[in-house]
Amino acid sequence: ELKVEQNPLFLSMQEGKNYTIYCNYSTTSDRLYWYRQDPGKSLESLFVLLSNGAVKQEGRLMASLDTKARLSTLHITAAVHDLSATYFCASDGQNFVFGPGTRLSVLP
Amino acid sequence: EPEVTQTPSHQVTQMGQEVILRCVPISNHLYFYWYRQILGQKVEFLVSFYNNEISEKSEIFDDQFSVERPDGSNFTLKIRSTKLEDSAMYFCASTGQRNTEAFFGQGTRLTVV
Repeated sequence: ELKVEQNPLFLSMQEGKNYTIYCNYSTTSDRLYWYRQDPGKSLESLFVLLSNGAVKQEGRLMASLDTKARLSTLHITAAVHDLSATYFCASDGQNFVFGPGTRLSVLP
Repeated sequence: EPEVTQTPSHQVTQMGQEVILRCVPISNHLYFYWYRQILGQKVEFLVSFYNNEISEKSEIFDDQFSVERPDGSNFTLKIRSTKLEDSAMYFCASTGQRNTEAFFGQGTRLTVV
């Protein structure tokens, strides 16, 4: 059974600080996805990582994938309040399996 | 920009009643999914659908659940006899190819009373 774990599950950080969210998965898949969810809203695709060593950046967020370690990271640089949301990673075996999510609060 | 649309956005139903949640996937997509999310909790896979049949289903997707693509555009999830624990946000998603980025609808909040 495919398992996806994230840590931390809750993250409270100050504006301007850097932090990394970790995603471990149990499958041998080469693909990993990151989604953002605002409270009461849907899942918004952030990054699609399709191979070992893939790195993608969008604004203050950067995601990377190490398929050998079955690890993906989402790095936040100089956090701002607008980044407050829940971030999910998802791996795919037969179907997308989501991690439990990391609830990020960025405080002024 | 193409998007997945779901209706209704919110449905309240009495326990034991049947509900049908509707989804219109992105028009050229071939793979369709239903997920649910109990408030504040994990996003759980229910079922995937391809070529007019179920590809895979989870343990949650028991005999009370069914899916259908009745007319080539809509993709529906039916719950035959709702229970209190079916209260959740239900998301529909679609992809153009297997194992590519999934696009999610805005969700239907189902409340069973």
